[in-house]
Amino acid sequence: DGGITQSPKYLFRKEGQNVTLSCEQNLNHDAMYWYRQDPGQGLRLIYYSQIVNDFQKGDIAEGYSVSREKKESFPLTVTSAQKNPTAFYLCATKGTSGSSSYNEQFFGPGTRLTVL
Amino acid sequence: KNQVEQSPQSLIILEGKNCTLQCNYTVSPFSNLRWYKQDTGRGPVSLTIMTFSENTKSNGRYTATLDADTKQSSLHITASQLSDSASYICVVSSINSGGYQKVTFGIGTKLQVIP
Repeated sequence: DGGITQSPKYLFRKEGQNVTLSCEQNLNHDAMYWYRQDPGQGLRLIYYSQIVNDFQKGDIAEGYSVSREKKESFPLTVTSAQKNPTAFYLCATKGTSGSSSYNEQFFGPGTRLTVL
Repeated sequence: KNQVEQSPQSLIILEGKNCTLQCNYTVSPFSNLRWYKQDTGRGPVSLTIMTFSENTKSNGRYTATLDADTKQSSLHITASQLSDSASYICVVSSINSGGYQKVTFGIGTKLQVIP
């Protein structure tokens, strides 16, 4: 898990409520990513940010929102518009071009969100 | 469409035995291929990374191979241990015209090592 923390580890939410998942890193990496993992599917990209105050939609951004006000933090909000939010959410970081960690994504421990 | 296919989907082996996991991809243009190990309920951890010019790389009892011509990779685990029980995910990256690295994940192979 390295220097990436995600909290909480387990999260329960009532249908119709927004919820925010935390991701903090101390690796000094510029790029940060949010993925969701569902049984029988590969990781799917929700949002990514390559630099502070900038972020881009991934393949499945609908119903999610993010912010990147600090280099260390990339919180993900799961809104009530997300139709099937129950999943395992993974945050990842990647080093800058030219660094030894450029080609590798480092993953946090994940947050399991369950909608009741 | 970029795709990464892994086989088998699941595998059970006896402790001490060897096994090989397969990964076929159609990602283009190819940048690099990585194998990750993911314990249940945890985030994936990198095992190996290979670029186009590399055809084998080892990390302890894990050895990955890459054939860029046939677009196939394998992960060989030697003398398996109970702690090897996990999902193994093949990840292939490509670089688009804008220089952004697009990452495609396989579904993973779930390995169970039994005593």
